[in-house]
Amino acid sequence: SQKIEQNSEALNIQEGKTATLTCNYTNYSPAYLQWYRQDPGRGPVFLLLIRENEKEKRKERLKVTFDTTLKQSLFHITASQPADSATYLCALRSNDYKLSFGAGTTVTVRA
Amino acid sequence: DAGVIQSPRHEVTEMGQEVTLRCKPISGHNSLFWYRQTMMRGLELLIYFNNNVPIDDSGMPEDRFSAKMPNASFSTLKIQPSEPRDSAVYFCASTKGVYNEQFFGPGTRLTVL
Repeated sequence: SQKIEQNSEALNIQEGKTATLTCNYTNYSPAYLQWYRQDPGRGPVFLLLIRENEKEKRKERLKVTFDTTLKQSLFHITASQPADSATYLCALRSNDYKLSFGAGTTVTVRA
Repeated sequence: DAGVIQSPRHEVTEMGQEVTLRCKPISGHNSLFWYRQTMMRGLELLIYFNNNVPIDDSGMPEDRFSAKMPNASFSTLKIQPSEPRDSAVYFCASTKGVYNEQFFGPGTRLTVL
């Protein structure tokens, strides 16, 4: 069956450090992968998209990698700040319209 | 742009009652999605509309759930009759085209007693 797995544990890190989140998938052939941020009581907000033929994408302090051989995406927040504290969701789109979401990883950045 | 608008933001109702959730997508977006989010199951797609036409409702859990999109600027998700297991946060999202980033509304937190 299809499965998307993100870090099972919440991530607690010190301000200024790099947070690394993992998204592993099975039985998908995603055309591309997206990362969203969700704050408590709010809807997810799009952050980055990476296509199957791209290895890496950057946006300000965010970096995403996509390894279709390992079936894994890594999401990095560099020079983390308390304002980065949120839940981060990975989402896969196969070659239809459907976007399938992982359960999310909650990140807490300590000042 | 006001973004995706959902109403109500919170709904508390009793089992057996009809519940109607409303969504106004971003102007110019032609794809609309209804999701449900719970701790146990995460974010699940319920139904997808393209150009106001329901394309896939395979995620709708039961016949008690129905959704309409009478025009490009309005959609409803109705649960009749509601049950306690329907308690969740319901999100509406819209996008231009199908394969682009989705813009989510603030969600409706539904509690069925």
